[in-house]
Parts: sequence; C-alpha cells; structure tokens
Amino acid sequence: GDSVTQMEGPVTLSEEAFLTINCTYTATGYPSLFWYVQYPGEGLQLLLKATKADDKGSNKGFEATYRKETTSFHLEKGSVQVSDSAVYFCALSERSGGGADGLTFGKGTHLIIQP
Amino acid sequence: DAGVIQSPRHEVTEMGQEVTLRCKPISGHDYLFWYRQTMMRGLELLIYFNNNVPIDDSGMPEDRFSAKMPNASFSTLKIQPSEPRDSAVYFCASSLKLPGVTEAFFGQGTRLTVV
Repeated sequence: GDSVTQMEGPVTLSEEAFLTINCTYTATGYPSLFWYVQYPGEGLQLLLKATKADDKGSNKGFEATYRKETTSFHLEKGSVQVSDSAVYFCALSERSGGGADGLTFGKGTHLIIQP
Repeated sequence: DAGVIQSPRHEVTEMGQEVTLRCKPISGHDYLFWYRQTMMRGLELLIYFNNNVPIDDSGMPEDRFSAKMPNASFSTLKIQPSEPRDSAVYFCASSLKLPGVTEAFFGQGTRLTVV
C-alpha cells in the first residue's frame, strides 16, 4: 500500500536558519504530493503541492520539488521565523481516474523555531 | 465560506457512553473525509464519502464506529460504546471533485477524551 515517511522530530532551529524536512514515499501509481501544516490548536492547512515529476510547489517561502527518481518531496525554507513553529505533514494522494481519494499522511514533523 | 465546521471542539465522556461528532463541509464539495489523529499512529483516514455515499470505510477501527452523511451539508461520526483508547483528535475534511488532484480542507478538529 501507499506510505509516507518523514524525518522524526522535534526539529529545533534558530530564527533565520535554513530548514529541510525530508519526506519519501511509496505508491503504486503516480501520486500527487502535498505538504500540510498544523499550527497549535488548529486543523491542517495545505501549504503546497505538486502533481507531477519535477514540479516545484511553493508558498510562504517554503518550497518542495517532486522527485520521482528518488520518490522524495523534501520541504525547504531559506530563513525560518518563530511563526513557522508548527507540525508539518507530508502526504500523497493517488490519482484515480477523475475522482478524489483520501490522503495518506506521514506522521508529522514538529518544528520549533527559537528566537 | 466559513470553511469546514466541526462540533464540538472538545468532548469529555465516560467509558461506555455514546459520542457523536459533527461536521459541516464546505458548500459545493463532493467529498467528505473523517480522520483520527493520535500521537502513536499519526493521522489515519477512517472513512470517506462521495456525494453522501460512503466509498471506503476500511479505516474504521471497529463496529463501535459508524459514520453517516444524510445530506450534502452534514455528517456525523458516532462511537458507541466509547472506550479510553478512542481518545484522539478527530478531523473532518472536504474536497472538490478534481480529476487526479486531491486538495482537502480540514476543520479544526474535535478533541475527544474518554475517561
């Protein structure tokens, strides 16, 4: 079955540091890939997405590139802020001829940014 | 649109009691998903609906769990009888029917505590 593997957390960084959160996946088909973010006490929000190989998703300074050859979708940001502290989830969804399927999530990476 | 609305935000109940969680999806969305989030297992898809019809309930852990969607604007997840191991945050999400791409919008979740 489908699965998503993320680096274990928590990840603690200083403000303005460079961020990488690794994500790899296994899928039977050709999935779409997503990063969701969950701020404390809130539901998940879509951060960025990519639907085909070599696509780069970007939002709020975060980027991730769909790498089919390495089955990866690593999240990066050049300079993190305290407000980026949250839990980040990598996820995939299999394409299925016209419909929408449920998302398969990684376990989440808790990011803590210190001033 | 107000987004996906879940109620209650918090629920504390005694073991053996019936618990009903409620969800109002975004208007016009054809798909509705119920997820459970725990520290041990992360985010798990329990069940999803398309046009009010349950499509995949393979994630529902036991017969104690049931979900309904009587109309396009309302869904319930019921646990009867509840057990302490059901304690978790339950999220509802909805999405449009987009070919090959799934983007889910999440509610803020219901934190369930069974004592």
